[in-house]
Amino acid sequence: AQSVTQLDSHVSVSEGTPVLLRCNYSSSYSPSLFWYVQHPNKGLQLLLKYTSAATLVKGINGFEAEFKKSETSFHLTKPSAHMSDAAEYFCVVSDFMDTGRRALTFGSGTRLQVQP
Amino acid sequence: EPEVTQTPSHQVTQMGQEVILRCVPISNHLYFYWYRQILGQKVEFLVSFYNNEISEKSEIFDDQFSVERPDGSNFTLKIRSTKLEDSAMYFCASNTGEDEAFFGQGTRLTVV
Repeated sequence: AQSVTQLDSHVSVSEGTPVLLRCNYSSSYSPSLFWYVQHPNKGLQLLLKYTSAATLVKGINGFEAEFKKSETSFHLTKPSAHMSDAAEYFCVVSDFMDTGRRALTFGSGTRLQVQP
Repeated sequence: EPEVTQTPSHQVTQMGQEVILRCVPISNHLYFYWYRQILGQKVEFLVSFYNNEISEKSEIFDDQFSVERPDGSNFTLKIRSTKLEDSAMYFCASNTGEDEAFFGQGTRLTVV
């Protein structure tokens, strides 16, 4: 069975400082991994994805994530936070279940606060 | 750019009533999903649908819930007899399998 653990429920940074949102996963097969962002009262927007190509993945708005199979991690980073980055971030894994069917599993989310 | 569309954006219903939430997935996608997010809580998986049948469902997806693809474009979630605790944002998503899921903007369901 697959699972996703987002290690921090809340992260607070100052504007202009780096952002690190941590995600660890477990999977029996070769997963695809995604980060989604949800702004208040909005839907889910894809930030970036890993689907077995390059392990360092660049996404929108300056975010990137590195897939580390040995650490089963897919942490999200950004060199310099902007006020508009304040939102909820979800790490998501897509993998085959024991039934042979694909399923998406969400992490519990990390709320990012950006202080001026 | 193709997108997943959900209707309505807001739905208010009385406890015990049936509701149908509608979704139009992206046309060449094969996997369809429903998720819900109770206010202030995490996004929870409800059900996935592939090849005209349910492929996975969670414990939340009990007999009160059903999904249907009545034609080639719509994907619906029906709640037979709504309860107060069904109040949540419901997200529909679709993908081809390996790639990212595209999510709709959600339907906010309020049960009163």
